Amino acid sequence: AQSVTQPDIHITVSEGASLELRCNYSYGATPYLFWYVQSPGQGLQLLLKYFSGDTLVQGIKGFEAEFKRSQSSFNLRKPSVHWSDAAEYFCAVGAYGGSQGNLIFGKGTKLSVKP
Amino acid sequence: SQTIHQWPATLVQPVGSPLSLECTVEGTSNPNLYWYRQAAGRGLQLLFYSVGIGQISSEVPQNLSASRPQDRQFILSSKKLLLSDSGFYLCAWMPSRYEQFFGPGTRLTVL
Repeated sequence: AQSVTQPDIHITVSEGASLELRCNYSYGATPYLFWYVQSPGQGLQLLLKYFSGDTLVQGIKGFEAEFKRSQSSFNLRKPSVHWSDAAEYFCAVGAYGGSQGNLIFGKGTKLSVKP
Repeated sequence: SQTIHQWPATLVQPVGSPLSLECTVEGTSNPNLYWYRQAAGRGLQLLFYSVGIGQISSEVPQNLSASRPQDRQFILSSKKLLLSDSGFYLCAWMPSRYEQFFGPGTRLTVL
């Protein structure tokens, strides 16, 4: 069955420190992948996406993610975290030719930033 | 540019009352539309999706229903709310290449 796992429920980092949020997926077909960010009480904002090609993708707000097919992973990174990055982050996966473009989401990782 | 709206932003309803949440998209035509529910610690659960007017697919059987009376309008309804219907409801649309864009959400509390 298709699934997305975000192993870390909650991560706390100091402002200015680097960040890596993990995402692993299980999908039978060729996947495409997204990272979304959600501030409290808000909708989800698309951070970045991977469809094909270069496995290192750049997104908004200084985020990047690397697709590693051999590890079924799509980890999100940022070299220096800002206090405004505190939010919840969701990884999502879909498959070409899949059901109407439906996505499967992980359960999210909540990021707290210490001053 | 395209915009997605959800109404209302927050709602408090008693158990057994009806529900109607509205989602509208501007600046596009014939989008795929989606309803998700988000409960604390459980991520996003896809409830319904629609590829066109009057076409609704249900992902999870439950106390809710959806309708798409117009191309850019998606309605989530219930005849009788349950406590378990409380949550944050998100509408999303898909323009192309499988990207989904989300509305601001509706916080529903059932008492």
